[in-house]
Amino acid sequence: DTGVSQNPRHKITKRGQNVTFRCDPISEHNRLYWYRQTLGQGPEFLTYFQNEAQLEKSRLLSDRFSAERPKGSFSTLEIQRTEQGDSAMYLCASSPRDRGILWDPEQYFGPGTRLTVT
Amino acid sequence: GIQVEQSPPDLILQEGANSTLRCNFSDSVNNLQWFHQNPWGQLINLFYIPSGTKQNGRLSATTVATERYSLLYISSSQTTDSGVYFCAVGDSGYALNFGKGTSLLVTP
Repeated sequence: DTGVSQNPRHKITKRGQNVTFRCDPISEHNRLYWYRQTLGQGPEFLTYFQNEAQLEKSRLLSDRFSAERPKGSFSTLEIQRTEQGDSAMYLCASSPRDRGILWDPEQYFGPGTRLTVT
Repeated sequence: GIQVEQSPPDLILQEGANSTLRCNFSDSVNNLQWFHQNPWGQLINLFYIPSGTKQNGRLSATTVATERYSLLYISSSQTTDSGVYFCAVGDSGYALNFGKGTSLLVTP
């Protein structure tokens, strides 16, 4: 059972550039989540997908942030016109399919993509 | 959203000592997880424990949902236990709300 994978692990970009990160969830998981973690803080929720449907995106930080999961497998998070304040660790997580009363919503996290905006 | 408070914020222990980390939360939850974040940033799952008690080796956790708190107990600590411990709770079936973490340093 391979875990959640994320690429790239590190990204350095100049202010104003667009960046895209990829997340591959655990294969049998149908729910996928994106979080952001800044220095000294716990992760904060951004958005989530159930299969290919993005069911919550109101907590994306601005309209410069967008996420997709076109085939219900991997997901991408894009930040347009990056700003220095976007420097953070971007974390992806996945959890198993809802099985009603037996459902265990435990989330498993990837290693993260560390973004530095210069 | 649900507020999560963790205590203590920082903890220094000598190898072999025991410790208890606390997590208080402000509302009913259907998900509570404890994580250990290693120096490279990876969040490692310790427990999924919205209620009850679980044990895994030197670690155990208890959640008293009616009183809105959870405890993580580390016994016979080792230097490899160093890192940040996060409590995260959810009530909606998706978003986890994280505390600010407890930073643990175990010295030889």
